[in-house]
Amino acid sequence: QQPVQSPQAVILREGEDAVINCSSSKALYSVHWYRQKHGEAPVFLMILLKGGEQKGHEKISASFNEKKQQSSLYLTASQLSYSGTYFCGTEKWSNQFYFGTGTSLTVIP
Amino acid sequence: SQTIHQWPATLVQPVGSPLSLECTVEGTSNPNLYWYRQAAGRGLQLLFYSVGIGQISSEVPQNLSASRPQDRQFILSSKKLLLSDSGFYLCAWSEVSPNSPLHFGNGTRLTVT
Repeated sequence: QQPVQSPQAVILREGEDAVINCSSSKALYSVHWYRQKHGEAPVFLMILLKGGEQKGHEKISASFNEKKQQSSLYLTASQLSYSGTYFCGTEKWSNQFYFGTGTSLTVIP
Repeated sequence: SQTIHQWPATLVQPVGSPLSLECTVEGTSNPNLYWYRQAAGRGLQLLFYSVGIGQISSEVPQNLSASRPQDRQFILSSKKLLLSDSGFYLCAWSEVSPNSPLHFGNGTRLTVT
């Protein structure tokens, strides 16, 4: 029921790129991405709808392949501020919103 | 603009004591409301969600309950806390329309001793 994310954790140096994957065993109709800083609440980054549309947010973008029931988050030229835990999320059906297992991203100087 | 308030920020309670966490939303009407729990270093577990006053759906059978006495008020309760209830509790709201993002409160860090 819960989307699975990979990798579980990743450490990057500033300026490096990363990809976080989110896959579901059930059909995905939309995918949300959130970032949570340590000790804080998650913050919405972007939403992707059916159709494979790629969205962008600063140097963070994402894609959605509904046939494969997968979404990927791309972080390019990472900055220290990108550190945190990234969650994908999806609606089972209207109003039941589930988050993925999470990916811890640490950017070091 | 819409805001969400959640309190208290931190709470230390003994095993067997009751619990009441409150969340209110301002600046919107008839929002969807959610309670999530996050154990240390873990993901976000959906506990309850509500689409209207008095309408509560439970995701996980446990000793917690939720109520929505007013349109923009969501309360998480327990009659007797367990050690396993410790965690970071997050309230969130979204618009009723499909594919609306979730907006979170600042969370309550609960430690059951």
